[in-house]
Amino acid sequence: QVQLQESGPGQLKPSETLSLTCSVSGGSMSGFYWNWIRQTPGGGLEWIGHIYSGGSTNYNPSLKGRVTVSLDKAKNQFSLRLTSVTVADTAIYYCSRAIALLGTKHFDLWGRGTLVIVSS
Amino acid sequence: SYELTQPPSVSVSPGQTASITCSGDKLGDKYACWYQQKPGQSPILVIYQTNKRPSGIPERFSGAISGNTAALTISGTQATDEGDYYCQAWDSSVGVFGGGTKLTVL
Repeated sequence: QVQLQESGPGQLKPSETLSLTCSVSGGSMSGFYWNWIRQTPGGGLEWIGHIYSGGSTNYNPSLKGRVTVSLDKAKNQFSLRLTSVTVADTAIYYCSRAIALLGTKHFDLWGRGTLVIVSS
Repeated sequence: SYELTQPPSVSVSPGQTASITCSGDKLGDKYACWYQQKPGQSPILVIYQTNKRPSGIPERFSGAISGNTAALTISGTQATDEGDYYCQAWDSSVGVFGGGTKLTVL
């Protein structure tokens, strides 16, 4: 079955750029939305953004233009780039697949998550 | 920005019915999803499109919307249902999660 696996550095300094990759195994990326979602130490979930398999993207305005999600279908991967990180960006970062139906979407598949700590 | 409000905690006795609510402006005009998360694990989808269960989710999980409040109902709650539950909806193409509800089965 389809599995997602996040990878990337676990620790960053403030002002650096966070780069994470999600590897998709066991299935095609076509026809789905590929998302990044994070969970803060307090427990809340925050949707970061997604890319459709066709290449269109959408981001959470709360991240104020710091986010880019990109896709490499040849490698079956998609990536997150978050610039100018602060301690507030410390979180578990999940990659997730979303299915679109009837004008809405739901996250049917999640990776295990990767902890990112921002600290000087 | 759009907000979804959930109670921080709900307690239920084994075998009883648990109900977790999620309120948001004009939520009745949207579809709601629910995710279950157990400690140290990733969230899993338990309800999508307000009232549909993914394959593999027990029939005791159900969802509904009334007015601006969505509700996740767990009938015959089991100890294995203990965990955090998050509602989620889309507003202007932005994914929004509720703050989460910790379900305790005692």
